Amino acid sequence: ILNVEQSPQSLHVQEGDSTNFTCSFPSSNFYALHWYRWETAKSPEALFVMTLNGDEKKKGRISATLNTKEGYSYLYIKGSQPEDSATYLCAFINAGNNRKLIWGLGTSLAVNP
Amino acid sequence: DTGVSQNPRHKITKRGQNVTFRCDPISEHNRLYWYRQTLGQGPEFLTYFQNEAQLEKSRLLSDRFSAERPKGSFSTLEIQRTEQGDSAMYLCASSLGQGGPEAFFGQGTRLTVV
Repeated sequence: ILNVEQSPQSLHVQEGDSTNFTCSFPSSNFYALHWYRWETAKSPEALFVMTLNGDEKKKGRISATLNTKEGYSYLYIKGSQPEDSATYLCAFINAGNNRKLIWGLGTSLAVNP
Repeated sequence: DTGVSQNPRHKITKRGQNVTFRCDPISEHNRLYWYRQTLGQGPEFLTYFQNEAQLEKSRLLSDRFSAERPKGSFSTLEIQRTEQGDSAMYLCASSLGQGGPEAFFGQGTRLTVV
């Protein structure tokens, strides 16, 4: 059974704080890892697609790292803003002929002004 | 093409009725996924298609759920004899290829079974 876990489940920070959360996934059979941002009443939006061990991706104040050997990825938000409030989902994609997205349950971030 | 489109956006139905939802993926995308999301949870995988072939169906789905993608373009998800526990947001996503590029999601269909 392929399992993806995210921690923490929820997070409350003050505006200006930097924060990070974790996605853990099977270290074997890795193909890719995706991070998505999901705001209330909207559909999930892709942030990063990560495929290589050691990958680091950045988009504005948000960045992500990938360690496929130990099976984890970190998402960092620098100087959180209220508009960063959302659920951040990671999805693992297995290698092989029958690839599919396997989702974590997400980290819910609330940034207080 | 403005993205993945789902219809209807909202559906309220009485318990025991059948409902059908439609998903129109991004036109060149050959992979299409259906997910269900209940309050406080991440997307729960239901099924996915590669072109018109349904490659996998979640064991969590009962026989009351069926999905089709007859011409490898749009897809329909039907729920027969709806139950209150079926109330959820049903999301469709499409991607190009076997999970490499990111998946793009529709805005979902919110089902309420009363």
